[in-house]
Amino acid sequence: DADVTQTPRNRITKTGKRIMLECSQTKGHDRMYWYRQDPGLGLRLIYYSFDVKDINKGEISDGYSVSRQAQAKFSLSLESAIPNQTALYFCATSVARGGTGELFFGEGSRLTVL
Amino acid sequence: GEDVEQSLFLSVREGDSSVINCTYTDSSSTYLYWYKQEPGAGLQLLTYIFSNMDMKQDQRLTVLLNKKDKHLSLRIADTQTGDSAIYFCADPNQAGTALIFGKGTTLSVSS
Repeated sequence: DADVTQTPRNRITKTGKRIMLECSQTKGHDRMYWYRQDPGLGLRLIYYSFDVKDINKGEISDGYSVSRQAQAKFSLSLESAIPNQTALYFCATSVARGGTGELFFGEGSRLTVL
Repeated sequence: GEDVEQSLFLSVREGDSSVINCTYTDSSSTYLYWYKQEPGAGLQLLTYIFSNMDMKQDQRLTVLLNKKDKHLSLRIADTQTGDSAIYFCADPNQAGTALIFGKGTTLSVSS
């Protein structure tokens, strides 16, 4: 079983709909992240959380919100989806201290907004 | 602002060496990273280098770090078709709160 699990893996929706992407992890890591991948643009950070009570905006947070429901769960919401939010979304985790700062990624959620 | 730059495409023949280059702006990082993304999959850490090292070798992979020029490279020796993927260079941001990724280099290996 994957250590970082994202659901759904694929979603097609219409402009204006509310969408939630969910992420759960069994790695016991405190830190969780949401990134967005677009062709030719690489990965850009949307939000990150260092614990349940800590939520921080990333580079491109406009149009998105997040919820850290538990140490193991971090969800990303699009309140009113628009076509330029069509992208591949990745959840990632890391340890809080020590280690190499490596991020562990889920397999991605592909979102298409029509 | 903080940035990581890398070329977008590299095409090589099977058996040749591949060299993927990266430049970064934040010089306070403890580690610098190379991630690999295979088609339809998430990113996996390929290798990393500690900032006080100039070179790290791991089987077919060699990482070179030039801190003065803020330049990082990944060399893959004896490149195989299974190495075809997107390779991302990553550098922690100044606050140390997240990784900044380059746009990714698509490596295409022909037989």
